[in-house]
Amino acid sequence: SSVLTQPPSVSVAPGQTARIICGGNNIGRKGVHWYQQKPGQAPVLVVYDNSDRPSRIPERFSGSNSGNTATLTISRVEAGDEADYYCQVWDSSSDHYVFGAGTKVSVL
Amino acid sequence: QVQLQESGPGLLKPSQTLSLTCTVSGGSISGDSHYWNWIRQPAGKGLEWIGRIYTSGSTNYNPSLKSRVTMSVDTSKNQFSLRLRSVTAADTAVYYCARDRGMATMFDAFDIWGQGTLVTVSS
Repeated sequence: SSVLTQPPSVSVAPGQTARIICGGNNIGRKGVHWYQQKPGQAPVLVVYDNSDRPSRIPERFSGSNSGNTATLTISRVEAGDEADYYCQVWDSSSDHYVFGAGTKVSVL
Repeated sequence: QVQLQESGPGLLKPSQTLSLTCTVSGGSISGDSHYWNWIRQPAGKGLEWIGRIYTSGSTNYNPSLKSRVTMSVDTSKNQFSLRLRSVTAADTAVYYCARDRGMATMFDAFDIWGQGTLVTVSS
């Protein structure tokens, strides 16, 4: 069964770059999706299939995936990017989705 | 624009059965090739996928919950439902329904979510 490891928190100054990692055994062989969740709201898809963005998501959000680490990168961070971010994969060994524990991004 | 709305009792006693319905509006539940999912989130914790159903009735469940979960779909009402038996306090959470993008793959992302509904299990 897949286990996804995310750091509990990341802090970044406005205008800088935030990188959120999602670790997993051979995660580079899987399609990784990323969600943003603000307090009291449902999650929002920000990156799918490792690096694709839904049309309404700013280009500042990008993703990559290789080896044992997937990364969500937020460029030119804004105050409105402060949220929890979750990675997700499909575990084909037991046919179910797995989420990472989430990373709280704080904008200083 | 497709929207999802969860509904069901917000308070249950231990050992009861949780029953939630997700109503799809702005589109047909049978349209395209979507899987319809349930996800939950205990207060202050992360997301847990519960399971999914296709309009054919085919399902996949989280192995950790499989023995207690049943999902169904009612295309005439444009709804799909979740039943979770023998609930305990550990099942207290916000429950979300969500639709995948419809790319007809096993591992598609969830592009539309309901607003979530809080279910509390307490004696």
